[in-house]
Amino acid sequence: GNSVTQMEGPVTLSEEAFLTINCTYTATGYPSLFWYVQYPGEGLQLLLKATKADDKGSNKGFEATYRKETTSFHLEKGSVQVSDSAVYFCALNSARQLTFGSGTQLTVLP
Amino acid sequence: DTAVSQTPKYLVTQMGNDKSIKCEQNLGHDTMYWYKQDSKKFLKIMFSYNNKELIINETVPNRFSPKSPDKAHLNLHINSLELGDSAVYFCASSPRGGDNQPQHFGDGTRLSIL
Repeated sequence: GNSVTQMEGPVTLSEEAFLTINCTYTATGYPSLFWYVQYPGEGLQLLLKATKADDKGSNKGFEATYRKETTSFHLEKGSVQVSDSAVYFCALNSARQLTFGSGTQLTVLP
Repeated sequence: DTAVSQTPKYLVTQMGNDKSIKCEQNLGHDTMYWYKQDSKKFLKIMFSYNNKELIINETVPNRFSPKSPDKAHLNLHINSLELGDSAVYFCASSPRGGDNQPQHFGDGTRLSIL
């Protein structure tokens, strides 16, 4: 079956630090890959996506590249802000079924 | 202009009761979902409906029964609530198309069983 393995948190960074959250996946076929973000007390919001190998998704300064050879979709941001504090979920979509990673709690300190 | 709306936002009830959570989407999407998020933030699909037809039914106790009166609504009814049902339940929807279509989530219903 499909699975997503995400870097365990929590992750605590200072403002303007570089962020990487690792994500690897196991899937049959060619899934689409997503990063979702969940702010406190809210639902999940799509952050970015990539639908085929070597695609780079980007949004709000976050980036992730679909790497088929390493089955990875690591999330990066060059300079995090306090407002980026949230839980980040890596997910793959195959046969209209989303499989989520376990989520990574990010806290950014001023 | 809420896209996916769930009611209620909070639900506190006694063990053994029956309760329902409602979900509506105004995005014109064909597919709707219910997810359960546990206290460790782990998310798991429960059900999926496409145009009122059940297409995904994960291993969920049969105390949970989804109902889709039309493609814009997917309600979740839970019988004989148990302590382990305490969680946040999210409704989501997605448009017709392939797996590159993202899902849109509601804000969640926080269910607490006393």
